[in-house]
Amino acid sequence: KQEVTQIPAALSVPEGENLVLNCSFTDSAIYNLQWFRQDPGKGLTSLLLIQSSQREQTSGRLNASLDKSSGRSTLYIAASQPGDSATYLCAVIGGSSNTGKLIFGQGTTLQVKP
Amino acid sequence: DTGVSQNPRHKITKRGQNVTFRCDPISEHNRLYWYRQTLGQGPEFLTYFQNEAQLEKSRLLSDRFSAERPKGSFSTLEIQRTEQGDSAMYLCASSLRPSGETAEQFFGPGTRLTVL
Repeated sequence: KQEVTQIPAALSVPEGENLVLNCSFTDSAIYNLQWFRQDPGKGLTSLLLIQSSQREQTSGRLNASLDKSSGRSTLYIAASQPGDSATYLCAVIGGSSNTGKLIFGQGTTLQVKP
Repeated sequence: DTGVSQNPRHKITKRGQNVTFRCDPISEHNRLYWYRQTLGQGPEFLTYFQNEAQLEKSRLLSDRFSAERPKGSFSTLEIQRTEQGDSAMYLCASSLRPSGETAEQFFGPGTRLTVL
């Protein structure tokens, strides 16, 4: 059974700092991995999707990497801003199923202080 | 607005009542997913449709839950005889599945259910 873990559960940093969020998964046979942002009481906003054949994806100040063999992904946020404060979720589509259902971690809640 | 929409955004009900939620996916997307998220947790998969066919249901989806996507467009999720443990955010997502690969899922704003 695929399990996804995100560490740390919460993170507080001063504005301008570069930071890394971690995601690990137990079954390396995945179709893809997706990073989301969730603001309090809101739905999920897709940030980056990495296909299983890819190693990384970049969008603006965000860079996500994927190492399937070790079951890890990282989300790098450069020059953090107070507007980046939110919960960040990673999710995988497991290799044992082609339904496309996402299996989520519990999220990392980020606070960027001005 | 071309994104995923959900209605209502909030629903407060008394235990034992029935509730129904609606999801309108992105128009050309053939896959539609329902997830449930409780406070402090990541979303958990409930069920999904490809066009009008419901192809998988989670064990979380008890017999009090039913979902439909009658014409392969919008979907409804009904909960009968609600219990306090049903209180959660119900999220809908859609994607376009090209042949042989999975695709990015786009989420709606969610429906927050509170069962008193």
